[in-house]
Amino acid sequence: QQQVKQSPQSLIVQKGGISIINCAYENTAFDYFPWYQQFPGKGPALLIAIRPDVSEKKEGRFTISFNKSAKQFSLHIMDSQPGDSATYFCAASWGSNYKLTFGKGTLLTVNP
Amino acid sequence: GAVVSQHPSWVICKSGTSVKIECRSLDFQATTMFWYRQFPKQSLMLMATSNEGSKATYEQGVEKDKFLINHASLTLSTLTVTSAHPEDSSFYICSANPSGREQFFGPGTRLTVL
Repeated sequence: QQQVKQSPQSLIVQKGGISIINCAYENTAFDYFPWYQQFPGKGPALLIAIRPDVSEKKEGRFTISFNKSAKQFSLHIMDSQPGDSATYFCAASWGSNYKLTFGKGTLLTVNP
Repeated sequence: GAVVSQHPSWVICKSGTSVKIECRSLDFQATTMFWYRQFPKQSLMLMATSNEGSKATYEQGVEKDKFLINHASLTLSTLTVTSAHPEDSSFYICSANPSGREQFFGPGTRLTVL
């Protein structure tokens, strides 16, 4: 059972454009939703995270939008740059259980 | 802050041998660490939760006798792949939470079993 569904699988965006990656979850107990960026051969790096008591969180060019009723959250990358080309993973966890459940990932390519 | 390191970064071994991977929290103490496995172009799959001073908790389907975990101190967890086989070749990544919910990952260890 895939508890966090991520789409699209791959995404191509032009430099300066907006990249949007979506995730949906099933477990209503989830209460922490981070996004990670991973470059080839490297470990994932925490980008931004949100809790369900807010609908949006912004850090620089990265914004998380959260829709609790729809059980969906998304990552928006504004002014996308070639250096943003990487695989992005959404994840979720609940309570004092810090175990993360990951989406399948989105390979983002930003063309110059 | 919140730096997690792994050693080695890559290792090649012969089938049937054992390989040990270290995970260290460099600037914080971690009573719990996590071990993940990632196959090419796939997501991270949690293998086990490493608990300092007690036994690790393994996810369903992960062989605890094959993947030995030892959390000897508050800054070190080790994963030993015993009797490695080519199908164990993968990218192994550890993580830890310095405080609260934010989880930081190590750089990963690429294991190739010949």
